[in-house]
Amino acid sequence: GAVVSQHPSRVICKSGTSVKIECRSLDFQATTMFWYRQFPKQSLMLMATSNEGSKATYEQGVEKDKFLINHASLTLSTLTVTSAHPEDSSFYICSARDRWTGGGTVSQYFGPGTRLTVL
Amino acid sequence: AQTVTQSQPEMSVQEAETVTLSCTYDTSESDYYLFWYKQPPSRQMILVIRQEAYKQQNATENRFSVNFQKAAKSFSLKISDSQLGDAAMYFCAYRTSWDTGTASKLTFGTGTRLQVTL
Repeated sequence: GAVVSQHPSRVICKSGTSVKIECRSLDFQATTMFWYRQFPKQSLMLMATSNEGSKATYEQGVEKDKFLINHASLTLSTLTVTSAHPEDSSFYICSARDRWTGGGTVSQYFGPGTRLTVL
Repeated sequence: AQTVTQSQPEMSVQEAETVTLSCTYDTSESDYYLFWYKQPPSRQMILVIRQEAYKQQNATENRFSVNFQKAAKSFSLKISDSQLGDAAMYFCAYRTSWDTGTASKLTFGTGTRLQVTL
């Protein structure tokens, strides 16, 4: 099946620094990528949707200037948490959607997630 | 906006037995997709089963099957012959049938933690 990778899998940073998380579709082209946030023992909350070559669409309540999303190619999207604070500590998951080829429902594949800890 | 509700925070089942996880949703659309995802301790999301709303037949995947009641907006997951490896968080999710950009985002329920005992 299709594979989505995330890097890094874990990151610890100091408060006030910025952290970049990469999401890559390894064997397919992803027109759309989604970024989710998951707090312990909670569900996945969609943060934003990014389409290749265009600006991301953020969900209500998500700070665009704090969570910068770039989808520069069909296989790579990045999430940058700027000026991170302890309350940004969470598990971040990306998912990627196959390029629609005109038939059937495209599938969505999830990355393994990135655990961010801000000290 | 669509909402997905899972009313069972935790469930427990004995190995080899059958368990049913509940999910209800709210939508004004007539065509959409419903999913069950499994999240084991590794946190990797795994698609368990998918149901298209326009199909009356309930989806099945080996030991996993759903009971899709469109009028009641109910979508339960039945796991037969439960195995230790089935222990995980299970999330019910909804997606509109529109297949472009933000429209294809998933809306998740709050999850049900399934324990499998010997």
